[in-house]
Amino acid sequence: GAVVSQHPSRVICKSGTSVKIECRSLDFQATTMFWYRQFPKKSLMLMATSNEGSKATYEQGVEKDKFLINHASLTLSTLTVTSAHPEDSSFYICSARDFTPRRVSTDTQYFGPGTRLTVL
Amino acid sequence: RKEVEQDPGPFNVPEGATVAFNCTYSNSASQSFFWYRQDCRKEPKLLMSVYSSGNEDGRFTAQLNRASQYISLLIRDSKLSDSATYLCVLEGTDSWGKLQFGAGTQVVVTP
Repeated sequence: GAVVSQHPSRVICKSGTSVKIECRSLDFQATTMFWYRQFPKKSLMLMATSNEGSKATYEQGVEKDKFLINHASLTLSTLTVTSAHPEDSSFYICSARDFTPRRVSTDTQYFGPGTRLTVL
Repeated sequence: RKEVEQDPGPFNVPEGATVAFNCTYSNSASQSFFWYRQDCRKEPKLLMSVYSSGNEDGRFTAQLNRASQYISLLIRDSKLSDSATYLCVLEGTDSWGKLQFGAGTQVVVTP
């Protein structure tokens, strides 16, 4: 089946540094990728929808200058957490949607393995 | 009211027993419904879609009740490997296929 990779799988950084997380679709093209954040024992919260070649669409309450998203190609989206603080520590998960949105069922939205960010 | 609500559990289930739980949703316009499974510190994985007529996949049965706005999941003959958190997921009505996740119901199957 389709595979989505994320890198790094885990990162520990000092407060104030910026962290970049990559999300790649390995065997399909993804015009749309989604970025989620999940705190312990909480639901996945959609942060933003990333569209190839255009600006990301952020959910209410998510600071676009804090969480920079770039979707430069059909197989790569990056999320940069700028000036990270301890409250940004979370599990960040991306998902990638197959090339033809809504033509097929939503089980073509494939999730990456997640990136666990710890900010000291 | 949360858009997707689930009993967090845990549901402690003896191996071989049956367990069932529901998920309620607030947006009556929701079109597509899913159950995902998430293991500890892992990404969610699609378990099954939920159809209006109800559907079954092996030991798993999903039901949708649009009138009362809930979906359910039933697991028969529970296995130890069924221990996980089960996420209720709705697809929104926008063109991007945004998903809304519940916080999950934890199931612990015991020997």
